[in-house]
Amino acid sequence: EDQVTQSPEALRLQEGESSSLNCSYTVSGLRGLFWYRQDPGKGPEFLFTLYSAGEEKEKERLKATLTKKESFLHITAPKPEDSATYLCTAGGTSYGKLTFGQGTILTVHP
Amino acid sequence: NAGVTQTPKFQVLKTGQSMTLQCAQDMNHNSMYWYRQDPGMGLRLIYYSASEGTTDKGEVPNGYNVSRLNKREFSLRLESAAPSQTSVYFCASSELAGVDNEQFFGPGTRLTVL
Repeated sequence: EDQVTQSPEALRLQEGESSSLNCSYTVSGLRGLFWYRQDPGKGPEFLFTLYSAGEEKEKERLKATLTKKESFLHITAPKPEDSATYLCTAGGTSYGKLTFGQGTILTVHP
Repeated sequence: NAGVTQTPKFQVLKTGQSMTLQCAQDMNHNSMYWYRQDPGMGLRLIYYSASEGTTDKGEVPNGYNVSRLNKREFSLRLESAAPSQTSVYFCASSELAGVDNEQFFGPGTRLTVL
């Protein structure tokens, strides 16, 4: 059974304090790992797709990386508007569907 | 482009009532999905449609039915609502089926069953 576990459950940062969110996955035959941002009362918003270990993607203050067991979402010098829940999901060849993590709630204080 | 739209945004039902959640996408995507999101749990797939004319069960299909009306529209029906179906429901679409394709989500329908 595919599993995706995100940590920490919640993270509080001061504005400008860089940090990382973790997504550990057990997925047979990984075909894709995705990061989403979800604001309260809204649907998930697509951020990144990663396909193979060693791959990296960047967008503004966010950088996603992938190893054979984990993905990290690095947030550099965060701003209060980066506060949201960040979701990780992955899919592989054995299950054939995406498995979602429970998310990390990020709060950035001014 | 509106992306993925869902109606209604909010709904309150009594146990045993029925309703249909509507979803439409204007991205010319082939595949569409229905998820539910509950506190403390990740998004769970209810049903999906890999292409127009096909539908398949996901992880938690019991108590639901779906219809892929055309390429744009995918509806979710609750025939006899139960309190356990209180949740936030999201529709999503992707260009192609397969877990290597990113999915794009709608704004959600918040359903309460009393």
